[in-house]
Amino acid sequence: QKEVEQDPGPLSVPEGAIVSLNCTYSNSAFQYFMWYRQYSRKGPELLMYTYSSGNKEDGRFTAQVDKSSKYISLFIRDSQPSDSATYLCAMSTGNQFYFGTGTSLTVIP
Amino acid sequence: GAGVSQSPSNKVTEKGKDVELRCDPISGHTALYWYRQSLGQGLEFLIYFQGNSAPDKSGLPSDRFSAERTGGSVSTLTIQRTQQEDSAVYLCASSLQVGVNEKLFFGSGTQLSVL
Repeated sequence: QKEVEQDPGPLSVPEGAIVSLNCTYSNSAFQYFMWYRQYSRKGPELLMYTYSSGNKEDGRFTAQVDKSSKYISLFIRDSQPSDSATYLCAMSTGNQFYFGTGTSLTVIP
Repeated sequence: GAGVSQSPSNKVTEKGKDVELRCDPISGHTALYWYRQSLGQGLEFLIYFQGNSAPDKSGLPSDRFSAERTGGSVSTLTIQRTQQEDSAVYLCASSLQVGVNEKLFFGSGTQLSVL
């Protein structure tokens, strides 16, 4: 079993839709939870970072962590064509990072 | 520098040749990581450096892979006798330090193609 499992997608949604991206994990030692956005031929870019259960909001993006269920989500409201990218979840014990395989998202104008 | 810089951005080589990939981390970042990303796969950890401590080499897939970090800044990942399965994007990342609310910042990667 992988440390981190991510819904493979790909996802294709119309502009303005709400997008939900999800990951599950098995290691209860994970303390930090992140979402990265990766455009084609670019490195991953840190989008959201949190270390506690609950919700964290930043503009159109909301990161949700449920440590009891070992489940994290990223919600994108009012999705835009510029949100089209691959989204990677990541988790850390503090000195080692574990990444999901990524979900490819396309937002259709 | 303003961000993590990697060079070259693309490298095409023949099977059996050696290659060197370079990473220049964000100024002041003491931790530096190398990852490999293959199509449809997640990021595969290779090695990380933290300050002057011995590097964690536990992710290196074979003894053909090695890395060094000179002067606590620039790092070079070397792949000897390249094989076709080494073809991937090699990503470098840096963070302020390991273990304390660290956030990873990535370079744009080196696309390695082994023919």
